[in-house]
Amino acid sequence: GEQVEQRPPHLSVREGDSAVITCTYTDPNSYYFFWYKQEPGASLQLLMKVFSSTEINEGQGFTVLLNKKDKRLSLNLTAAHPGDSAAYFCAVRTGGNNKLTFGQGTVLSVIP
Amino acid sequence: GPKVLQIPSHQIIDMGQMVTLNCDPVSNHLYFYWYKQILGQQMEFLVNFYNGKVMEKSKLFKDQFSVERPDGSYFTLKIQPTALEDSAVYFCASSLAAETLYFGSGTRLTVL
Repeated sequence: GEQVEQRPPHLSVREGDSAVITCTYTDPNSYYFFWYKQEPGASLQLLMKVFSSTEINEGQGFTVLLNKKDKRLSLNLTAAHPGDSAAYFCAVRTGGNNKLTFGQGTVLSVIP
Repeated sequence: GPKVLQIPSHQIIDMGQMVTLNCDPVSNHLYFYWYKQILGQQMEFLVNFYNGKVMEKSKLFKDQFSVERPDGSYFTLKIQPTALEDSAVYFCASSLAAETLYFGSGTRLTVL
């Protein structure tokens, strides 16, 4: 089945710096991709969902890039601020089934 | 955004006892899911449920696990009997179509 590898597991950046989190997946039939943010004790908050036909997806303060050839999905926070400190998870949906396969998560710390 | 509520947020029980985890999904959603997250590890799919039936389950969904949503009330995960390795955070999710999942904040289960 689908396998998703997320890196890095921990990331510490200074306020105003960029932060990049990357996921690679194995199944070429994967067609929907998600990024979730989880603050301590809270639920997973959907940041963005990406369909496989869109390579560059702009959000508020971040960009999600999808490279289908390399089977890589990345979340790029352009100018991190302390409110971005949280755990981030990528998730992948593969054609024909109704479940998400998650990456291992990245704990991001933004230092003021 | 849509909210999924999970009750309780923490539960501590003795090994061998039964436990029921409750989830109040988004009101018009049709698909329901349980995921398991052991501390520091990735979220793993347990089961999804639609139209009163289990649609798909993983190998983590042992025979001791069961799910139901009687009369459109809570979507529940029951474990009977519990084992030490069942200690984890259990996340419920729901979706309208088989697309974007909305997650609850999880129930931390500790089996002693």
